[in-house]
Amino acid sequence: AAGVIQSPRHLIKEKRETATLKCYPIPRHDTVYWYQQGPGQDPQFLISFYEKMQSDKGSIPDRFSAQQFSDYHSELNMSSLELGDSALYFCASSSRAPPEETQYFGPGTRLLVL
Amino acid sequence: AQTVTQSQPEMSVQEAETVTLSCTYDTSESDYYLFWYKQPPSRQMILVIRQEAYKQQNATENRFSVNFQKAAKSFSLKISDSQLGDAAMYFCALGSGAGSYQLTFGKGTKLSVIP
Repeated sequence: AAGVIQSPRHLIKEKRETATLKCYPIPRHDTVYWYQQGPGQDPQFLISFYEKMQSDKGSIPDRFSAQQFSDYHSELNMSSLELGDSALYFCASSSRAPPEETQYFGPGTRLLVL
Repeated sequence: AQTVTQSQPEMSVQEAETVTLSCTYDTSESDYYLFWYKQPPSRQMILVIRQEAYKQQNATENRFSVNFQKAAKSFSLKISDSQLGDAAMYFCALGSGAGSYQLTFGKGTKLSVIP
C-alpha cells in the first residue's frame, strides 16, 4: 500500500537560511498534518490542512509557513533557521472516510541547523 | 486543552512474555480517538492500534490489545508474546477537536525486550 512520502529525508542548513520540506499524502487522503519532534521528545503538532485549507494551528513559529496544493501535497517553509529548529519533521495524512481520523506518518525529514 | 500522560519512561519484558504500558489522558471533547504508535530506532512512527471513544469494545490487533476505561480516562496497551522486534519507544496519542484531530502525544515509554 502507498505510504506518505516526505522529501528530502535529510537536510543540513546554516543558521538564518531557509528550508522547504515537502509531503505527499496517501492517495485519496484529504488532510495533512505537520509535527516537529526534537531529540528525546514527543512529536508536537505544528499545523494541519483539510481540502487545501488550513484547518488548525499549533505551536508553529511565525518564521514557518505551510500550504497544501491542488494535488494535496503540502510544503512546510522555514525561514531564518535557528539552531533550535534542528529536529525530525513528520508529515501525516488522514481521511475523513472510514477508518476516519487515523493519521499515517511519513518517514520524516531530519533537519540539522548548524 | 488536552493532555496525555505516560507514567513509565522505561519498561522491559522477557521475550515471549506479556507487558502492559500505561496511559492516561484528559480532554473536554466527547468525540475523540486514542492511538498507540511505535517508534523504533529508525524513528519511523508506526501505528499500532486505535480506539474510538464511542466504542465500548476494546480494540485488538494480533498480539496487541488495549484496555480502554473511558470513565477513568485510561488507555493501556498490552503486548502479548513479546518479540525482539517490539523493542521501541511507544507513544500514546489523543486526537480530538472539532474538525481537526491533531494528535497530542505522551512523553513515551521505552520498551526493551530481553532475549
